[in-house]
Amino acid sequence: ETGVTQTPRHLVMGMTNKKSLKCEQHLGHNAMYWYKQSAKKPLELMFVYNFKEQTENNSVPSRFSPECPNSSHLFLHLHTLQPEDSALYLCASSRAGPTPTEAFFGQGTRLTVV
Amino acid sequence: GEDVEQSLFLSVREGDSSVINCTYTDSSSTYLYWYKQEPGAGLQLLTYIFSNMDMKQDQRLTVLLNKKDKHLSLRIADTQTGDSAIYFCAESIGGGNKLTFGTGTQLKVEL
Repeated sequence: ETGVTQTPRHLVMGMTNKKSLKCEQHLGHNAMYWYKQSAKKPLELMFVYNFKEQTENNSVPSRFSPECPNSSHLFLHLHTLQPEDSALYLCASSRAGPTPTEAFFGQGTRLTVV
Repeated sequence: GEDVEQSLFLSVREGDSSVINCTYTDSSSTYLYWYKQEPGAGLQLLTYIFSNMDMKQDQRLTVLLNKKDKHLSLRIADTQTGDSAIYFCAESIGGGNKLTFGTGTQLKVEL
């Protein structure tokens, strides 16, 4: 248990569906991240939020829409996804700032797009 | 540009040492990290090294950094079956909180 909780753990959705992934942390962190993990590929940073403000969008398609209503919660809204979007989506949190800081990861949501 | 490379698989026998290698391209990397991912779990930080260091030891783990060759390695002494996992190398630039990860190396420990 890392203190970062993601729901759901598994999600199967059709290409016309709309769904949301949720991430929650109560570690007092003020930076939150979404990563995409695909087999045999580097872990891809998707979005970064520092103090609820989005500071990084790593050329992610608009069918992925993040939302950070407060420092403890992060959502990833999904719509009209493609089969190649099937992957493990990991949320992480950390302290914001220039010094090395440990990022705590959730267990991920295994997404399958059919 | 940012690019972190690792071999995909490593197999060792229990009790042997494991060495997981990583190369990176950005010479302005400030910190380099090793994360471990066990099956069905997220990533967990194992250790990190500042770019002005060349070695860091923490119990069974030894990190070596060759900044000239942009090469980072993680040595696990007396490897146990519980060490079986995926190990990710990551770099941050300028000390910020944006991490660039490699593909991960799947370590399999055989009896």
